[in-house]
Amino acid sequence: GENVEQHPSTLSVQEGDSAVIKCTYSDSASNYFPWYKQELGKRPQLIIDIRSNVGEKKDQRIAVTLNKTAKHFSLHITETQPEDSAVYFCAASRSGNKLVFGAGTILRVKS
Amino acid sequence: GAGVSQSPSNKVTEKGKDVELRCDPISGHTALYWYRQSLGQGLEFLIYFQGNSAPDKSGLPSDRFSAERTGGSVSTLTIQRTQQEDSAVYLCASSLSIDPTYEQYFGPGTRLTVT
Repeated sequence: GENVEQHPSTLSVQEGDSAVIKCTYSDSASNYFPWYKQELGKRPQLIIDIRSNVGEKKDQRIAVTLNKTAKHFSLHITETQPEDSAVYFCAASRSGNKLVFGAGTILRVKS
Repeated sequence: GAGVSQSPSNKVTEKGKDVELRCDPISGHTALYWYRQSLGQGLEFLIYFQGNSAPDKSGLPSDRFSAERTGGSVSTLTIQRTQQEDSAVYLCASSLSIDPTYEQYFGPGTRLTVT
């Protein structure tokens, strides 16, 4: 089955800097890669996703890139703000299969 | 509209007791998922439902764990003879479809503490 590894486990950045979180997956048939954000004490929420037919997707200050050959995808947050502090989870799945989540990255944005 | 709700929000129980955790999904959502989140850990998949049936129970940690869903709506996760290692936050999520590309909407979770 699918296995998703996520790095780093914790990440501290200065406000205004960029943050990058990376995930690798094992199933070459996986074709859907969402990212969820979980603020402290709150529920996870979808922030962006990418499908295997595109290599990059942007939404304001966040972007996700996908390298199918290497089987890895990354979340990029530019101009980080204190409200970006949260736990971020990547996930992967292929058609008909459930999402498999990474272990999460704790992002701290220092002001 | 109303989101996914879970009850209780917190549950403290003694080792060996049984507990029931409830999830009320968003109305009309066919798919319902249960996850477990231990302190500082990721989202561990437990089970999912399509309607009232559970095609994938592969994530249930042991036969002490069971779940059911009735009327295509409310789901209950039951843990029998609880152990300390069962302590975690149990999250429920629902989605319009079991197609993984449909967004999962999470509930606030039930924090279970086994003493």
